[in-house]
Amino acid sequence: NAGVTQTPKFQVLKTGQSMTLQCAQDMNHNSMYWYRQDPGMGLRLIYYSASEGTTDKGEVPNGYNVSRLNKREFSLRLESAAPSQTSVYFCACQDRAPYEQYFGPGTRLTVT
Amino acid sequence: QQQVKQSPQSLIVQKGGISIINCAYENTAFDYFPWYQQFPGKGPALLIAIRPDVSEKKEGRFTISFNKSAKQFSLHIMDSQPGDSATYFCAARLLGAGYSTLTFGKGTMLLVSP
Repeated sequence: NAGVTQTPKFQVLKTGQSMTLQCAQDMNHNSMYWYRQDPGMGLRLIYYSASEGTTDKGEVPNGYNVSRLNKREFSLRLESAAPSQTSVYFCACQDRAPYEQYFGPGTRLTVT
Repeated sequence: QQQVKQSPQSLIVQKGGISIINCAYENTAFDYFPWYQQFPGKGPALLIAIRPDVSEKKEGRFTISFNKSAKQFSLHIMDSQPGDSATYFCAARLLGAGYSTLTFGKGTMLLVSP
């Protein structure tokens, strides 16, 4: 089992370009999450999906959109990338009790 | 508004020493407090967690102490080893109807010197 996979691993974008970060899990978990990690800022929740067919905003949703394509896949889209979106993005999934979140390896995004 | 405050930002401990990382929270609705460990280039991984009805939880060299009245909890790493060098995040869970979310502290970079 791969657990949580993310593609791409690295990406460089120019300001104004768009892209989609992909996340897939083979753990059959209901909930999925997108976080961004910036130096000295910890992990901040962008969007989450409690179950297939639902999505909700987290702490820092501006500039992002998400799609819960099915139970396995949860994508994050940047419609018009900005330098402030330079970050490492992590996807995570979580089942019901004991509510442990499992993280993917991350996507390092640079916007110039 | 930062709901989970973590300190220190960085910590250097000698091999065999005790590493202590502290966190404080504000929201009394948080009901579960995990600690995550992250190595460079990797995603965070759950290390140990505690519920607020317990004052201490120990797993091997790792212990969480929890003070509900003070709204504080801490991670103690006994006999710290160079392999423990990583970034540690405390977190607090909010459980709602059909969903749960984690709020993370800003992280502590631990370096255990040989």
